[in-house]
Amino acid sequence: QSALTQPASVSGSPGQSITISCTGTSSDVGGYNYVSWYQQHPGKAPKLMIYDVSNRPSGVSNRFSGSKSGNTASLTISGLQAEDEADYYCSSYTSSSTQVFGTGTKVTVL
Amino acid sequence: QVQLVQSGAEVKKPGASVKVSCKASGYTFTSYDINWVRQATGQGLEWMGWMNPNSGNTGYAQKFQGRVTMTRNTSISTAYMELSSLRSEDTAVYYCARAHRLTRDAFDIWGQGTMVTVSS
Repeated sequence: QSALTQPASVSGSPGQSITISCTGTSSDVGGYNYVSWYQQHPGKAPKLMIYDVSNRPSGVSNRFSGSKSGNTASLTISGLQAEDEADYYCSSYTSSSTQVFGTGTKVTVL
Repeated sequence: QVQLVQSGAEVKKPGASVKVSCKASGYTFTSYDINWVRQATGQGLEWMGWMNPNSGNTGYAQKFQGRVTMTRNTSISTAYMELSSLRSEDTAVYYCARAHRLTRDAFDIWGQGTMVTVSS
């Protein structure tokens, strides 16, 4: 199972909105509404930000939102803040009853 | 509070095995799947497999089939991941992660990670 494809890096200024894409196939992202997004700060464990494409866990800011179209899922961060600077990973359920993560995206706040 | 606490760092020689533990507290251990994810230094996340602590049922990524074993001891609310035939490429931080209460396919509680170093 190949990793889902994400851009290596995305940047934006404070207050702006950015979108991170996550491209897979019909056997993973496109076939199921089981896409999740994780935020990871250096040296820390990942934190769940979005599950089932567009649902936010309790306690996650509503500045984070998720969507999906075809084989590509997206995470949008609106009102970008300094604390949003981190690595972001998508993941998806697959037709093999496994999980696959994305390649990861480094978000930089300019 | 709900948490997963993992065992400490390990240094192993090539060909050896390592067993990492993950102790759950603050919730009913048998009610949520436990997944294992690893991350080599400077690299991305890699899913290894899952275990249902109630039934003991497991599912492994094809890459690790035959080399990984996930078990549990429900009396002490602890999950284990054992990886055998270690090679240098297995050097990574290993995380356990609990499945979200509403979906098995998202992980809402993570352990602090266990560094496993494979070196001769």
